Amino acid sequence: KAGVTQTPRYLIKTRGQQVTLSCSPISGHRSVSWYQQTPGQGLQFLFEYFSETQRNKGNFPGRFSGRQFSNSRSEMNVSTLELGDSALYLCASSLDGGSGDTQYFGPGTRLTVL
Amino acid sequence: AQTVTQSQPEMSVQEAETVTLSCTYDTSESDYYLFWYKQPPSRQMILVIRQEAYKQQNATENRFSVNFQKAAKSFSLKISDSQLGDAAMYFCAYRRGRDDKIIFGKGTRLHILP
Repeated sequence: KAGVTQTPRYLIKTRGQQVTLSCSPISGHRSVSWYQQTPGQGLQFLFEYFSETQRNKGNFPGRFSGRQFSNSRSEMNVSTLELGDSALYLCASSLDGGSGDTQYFGPGTRLTVL
Repeated sequence: AQTVTQSQPEMSVQEAETVTLSCTYDTSESDYYLFWYKQPPSRQMILVIRQEAYKQQNATENRFSVNFQKAAKSFSLKISDSQLGDAAMYFCAYRRGRDDKIIFGKGTRLHILP
């Protein structure tokens, strides 16, 4: 089975712009979660989608949004980019997002905001 | 609020030796899951081991085992016969339930000395 894929792998944007990141989960997985990873804050949960519905949400401003399509692929969008949004954005998929479900992570998208 | 603390930002161990990574967490729940994830330099995070809180027996996966002390809220990871491929960032994580987000510790960077 193909693993979790994320596109693009690298992005450079300027402040004020918006960006869309994409995540394709493992075939058959219905839950997709997004994380922001920075050296200072570590891994922080953004949101989780299951069957096209947002099930959980982290403590991020409304500039961060996401969605999930019927084929379980997910996108996250960040509007009005700030310098502090520079980070590695990781997506993870699991079968149904159960408490003990194994999350399978993608390689991440490295976003740099100038 | 639940928190996960990894008090060792960085550790080193000689190849073939045993090393223990510490993790403590804070929760008022009685049922939850704990995880150790490994993030090698290539950045793709993978699950190392998981523990269900209501199970008293410590989880084991080959050379990886945990010491789960529920009353002390401690969840350490022991790596036996350390190998060069074990060099990575290790994250301890907690999840209460399906409708709750996963909380990660800040991570411990493990170096393996040849």
